[in-house]
Amino acid sequence: KNQVEQSPQSLIILEGKNCTLQCNYTVSPFSNLRWYKQDTGRGPVSLTIMTFSENTKSNGRYTATLDADTKQSSLHITASQLSDSASYICVVSVQYGNKLVFGAGTILRVKS
Amino acid sequence: DTAVSQTPKYLVTQMGNDKSIKCEQNLGHDTMYWYKQDSKKFLKIMFSYNNKELIINETVPNHFSPKSPDKAHLNLHINSLELGDSAVYFCASSQGPDGYTFGSGTRLTVV
Repeated sequence: KNQVEQSPQSLIILEGKNCTLQCNYTVSPFSNLRWYKQDTGRGPVSLTIMTFSENTKSNGRYTATLDADTKQSSLHITASQLSDSASYICVVSVQYGNKLVFGAGTILRVKS
Repeated sequence: DTAVSQTPKYLVTQMGNDKSIKCEQNLGHDTMYWYKQDSKKFLKIMFSYNNKELIINETVPNHFSPKSPDKAHLNLHINSLELGDSAVYFCASSQGPDGYTFGSGTRLTVV
């Protein structure tokens, strides 16, 4: 069964600190892995997309890693800001079908 | 603004009613989708259309019916609404395997 599991479910950190969010997946056949940020009341917005051959990708203060052998990914946020407070969703794309499998997300709250 | 826009943003209606949610994208994408986000925050695909043709139809109750008058529009019609239909519905579009863009969501509450 195609599944994406994320941890932790929620996280509170102080402004300026770093954090790392985890994602494990069992999706097959794998096409790519994406991290999305979803602000409250908004649709998900793409942060990074990685294919099988990529093991790290950065977008500003966001750095995603992918280990296709162990089927794990992480999203590292550096020097967090209040505006980083959101849900971060790991999404794996199934090959041949434009189908995405979503994790439940990690709710991040950055406080001052 | 280039975007995926869906209306209405909020919809409160009684059980048994028929309602529609509209979605339009001006990104020139060929593929459009409807997703449902349940109370546990999982986003699950419902339908996908490519150039007005249905290509993904997940196990969705048959009182949901998508309609795509052209490749820039994908509307979701819901007949005889049930309490369990309450959720946030997201429209999205894509061109190829990348470049997914989501709308802001429609929060449907059935009372």
